[in-house]
Amino acid sequence: GIQVEQSPPDLILQEGANSTLRCNFSDSVNNLQWFHQNPWGQLINLFYIPSGTKQNGRLSATTVATERYSLLYISSSQTTDSGVYFCAADDKIIFGKGTRLHILP
Amino acid sequence: NAGVTQTPKFRVLKTGQSMTLLCAQDMNHEYMYWYRQDPGMGLRLIHYSVGEGTTAKGEVPDGYNVSRLKKQNFLLGLESAAPSQTSVYFCASSYSLPALAGVEGYEQYFGPGTRLTVT
Repeated sequence: GIQVEQSPPDLILQEGANSTLRCNFSDSVNNLQWFHQNPWGQLINLFYIPSGTKQNGRLSATTVATERYSLLYISSSQTTDSGVYFCAADDKIIFGKGTRLHILP
Repeated sequence: NAGVTQTPKFRVLKTGQSMTLLCAQDMNHEYMYWYRQDPGMGLRLIHYSVGEGTTAKGEVPDGYNVSRLKKQNFLLGLESAAPSQTSVYFCASSYSLPALAGVEGYEQYFGPGTRLTVT
């Protein structure tokens, strides 16, 4: 089956910094999603982005399906951005192991 | 709107016991999902439902059964719990499937999770 890998596994940044999270997938997929799990465990859908670029406030995502990767950009980080960011690919919704982001005040 | 709710929030079972987790959504979504999340891992899809009375297997269905008798409810059953089923279980719902998403996109709405420990 499809493999989904995320990098980096952990990221510690100062408030106000920018970051780029990467998601690689082993086979062509028809869909790609990004999620945020906050420190209390709540999951929120950030983007559905099978290809192209989308932006929502300080967050944006780009998927290059032909090269089998997606990027999540977080600009001007805030402490509320802390948590784990997951990507999930394919119709079977295969998740990566996530990037744990910690924003220091 | 309550969104997606899960019952119970916590449960401890002994090996071999059975239990049912309840997921309810009030958004009139056609599609519902059950996931499990183990420490340091992403979510893994157990079963999902494409409508009332229909269910399908996900990535890790063994040891679980599901039922969708009413559109708003999706039940996950463990007939004979095993320590390997210790996990946090999340339910989600959506108005579409990833494969069917059109220009309006696709979004899942998650419940708060159920922490299950099997001893």
